[in-house]
Amino acid sequence: DIQMTQSPSSLSASVGDRVTITCRASQGISNYLAWYQQKPGKVPKLLIYAASTLQSGVPSRFSGSGSGTDFTLTISSLQPEDVATYYCQKYNSAFTFGPGTKVDIK
Amino acid sequence: EVQLVESGGGLVKPGGSLRLSCAASGFTFSSYSMNWVRQAPGKGLEWVSSISSSSSYIYYADSVKGRFTISRDNAKNSLYLQMNSLRAEDTAVYYCARSFGPFDIWGQGTMVTVSS
Repeated sequence: DIQMTQSPSSLSASVGDRVTITCRASQGISNYLAWYQQKPGKVPKLLIYAASTLQSGVPSRFSGSGSGTDFTLTISSLQPEDVATYYCQKYNSAFTFGPGTKVDIK
Repeated sequence: EVQLVESGGGLVKPGGSLRLSCAASGFTFSSYSMNWVRQAPGKGLEWVSSISSSSSYIYYADSVKGRFTISRDNAKNSLYLQMNSLRAEDTAVYYCARSFGPFDIWGQGTMVTVSS
């Protein structure tokens, strides 16, 4: 089975900072990679799919890149409303989620 | 409005059974694969099971294989999860989610607690 890892597990950054989260697959998954945002007490929300395609309605400060085994989610200018846990997910065959990255404001 | 509403959660003893339902509205239910995802208290997301639009393809996580059964009724716009032989580690919020690949629409979730 393909495993998904994320780093860091948590981070604290200032408003306006550029934030980067990394997701790694144990085997190549082409670009079958999605990113989700889950705010405290809320339902997960799809941000990006196909590694770099922004879901409709998602602010343009969010971007994704990568292919194969290594992927990144970037928030170009962190906002207070971005406080959340971010999960990557592979969706070719099985649908494994990464362990999550918790993002806080410093 | 596109919406998914789960129901059927509750408190059940270890070894017991529970059937979750997910009612879909606002989209053509029969055109989409559907999924169950769970989240234990304070933990991350865990994919549980998926079913294709016509029920031809069904997949389960190893952690629930042989105990859980996913099904759907396209005439009723409904998704189900029959959970048998429940264990303490099955305690979680269970979400249903629509997929076109990734999971783009999620329900609010229903809590399942397995405890004696």
